[in-house]
Amino acid sequence: DAKTTQPTSMDCAEGRAANLPCNHSTISGNEYVYWYRQIHSQGPQYIIHGLKNNETNEMASLIITEDRKSSTLILPHATLRDTAVYYCIVRVSYGQNFVFGPGTRLSVLP
Amino acid sequence: NAGVMQNPRHLVRRRGQEARLRCSPMKGHSHVYWYRQLPEEGLKFMVYLQKENIIDESGMPKERFSAEFPKEGPSILRIQQVVRGDSAAYFCASSPIDEQFFGPGTRLTVL
Repeated sequence: DAKTTQPTSMDCAEGRAANLPCNHSTISGNEYVYWYRQIHSQGPQYIIHGLKNNETNEMASLIITEDRKSSTLILPHATLRDTAVYYCIVRVSYGQNFVFGPGTRLSVLP
Repeated sequence: NAGVMQNPRHLVRRRGQEARLRCSPMKGHSHVYWYRQLPEEGLKFMVYLQKENIIDESGMPKERFSAEFPKEGPSILRIQQVVRGDSAAYFCASSPIDEQFFGPGTRLTVL
């Protein structure tokens, strides 16, 4: 079973920031938080991952709470092409498969 | 640097036939994972391989399914005597160690 819980769906207006929450209250000290997304029926796309510090790359920002029990993925300026299912996954950094939950279906609206 | 390649992209088989799905990892990646996604469901882990070794096959059905990742060439997921319930999208992911990069998938349809 997935170790994370996410809202089933969210809407976001085009051009606005999309904030996708994730709860992972049972995360252990050596587990990272990963975010992937799946656009329509394509292969999942890596977005970002982190351990305890906030992370930012060209796609998104990841904010992890100090107790590490939850995190938020931020897409700063959502576009229609960001419409996808977003998966939050916790895992040790290597040598382990990902356990995908149902994710959050983000709809970016014009 | 080419991404993960999978072929064929679409595969149609009749019940009882064999299906062979191929995955070529990104250059320099020695870890391959296979996942299956049934219609309207999430991805489910099947098997994790390194070159010439199966590391974790806890998600593989006990019968008819096998996987290999030879020293040379792509990783192969083989399904013998396919049944309608095998119809799904099969994704492979390659990894240097940490994050996994997914291929476009093979969509298997069993008639």
